[in-house]
Amino acid sequence: AQSVTQLDSQVPVFEEAPVELRCNYSSSVSVYLFWYVQYPNQGLQLLLKYLSGSTLVKGINGFEAEFNKSQTSFHLRKPSVHISDTAEYFCAVSDRNSSASKIIFGSGTRLSIRP
Amino acid sequence: DGGITQSPKYLFRKEGQNVTLSCEQNLNHDAMYWYRQDPGQGLRLIYYSQIVNDFQKGDIAEGYSVSREKKESFPLTVTSAQKNPTAFYLCASSIKSFRGDTQYFGPGTRLTVL
Repeated sequence: AQSVTQLDSQVPVFEEAPVELRCNYSSSVSVYLFWYVQYPNQGLQLLLKYLSGSTLVKGINGFEAEFNKSQTSFHLRKPSVHISDTAEYFCAVSDRNSSASKIIFGSGTRLSIRP
Repeated sequence: DGGITQSPKYLFRKEGQNVTLSCEQNLNHDAMYWYRQDPGQGLRLIYYSQIVNDFQKGDIAEGYSVSREKKESFPLTVTSAQKNPTAFYLCASSIKSFRGDTQYFGPGTRLTVL
């Protein structure tokens, strides 16, 4: 069975500092990987996703993530954060080979930006 | 503008009552989903539908029911059998049921049981 582990429930950083949000997954098959962002009291919005090809994926708002198959990781990074990046971030995985369309979400990482 | 709407934004229910949460999309997506979000637990799948008049249970379907009579609509009923229904409920849709498709989310409904 698939699972997703987000190692940090909260990450505080200063404005304009770099940030990395960690995500590890467990799966016996090939996967698709996603990062979603949720602003307070709103739905989720896709930041980026890995389907195939280059392991470095660039997304919206200056975020990027790198797929590392050997370490089963998909960490999210941004070189310089802004106050507006304050939100909860969810890593998610889905099975390439499954006939169903379900994806499994991690428990989320709350990013708080200090001025 | 295309998107997903959920109503109401806030809902209060007395114990023993059934309530129905609305989800409508005008994106012409085939697949629709209902998730429950609790603090610190991420999103858990309740039900999903890959096509009109068909739906499947997710990981936590007990105490919930759905229908998919129209492509645009996927209402969720929280029944009195759901032991702890207070949560944030999110509806989503995707073009097909392809595993790599982006899911588009509505703004959510916050349900509180009094």
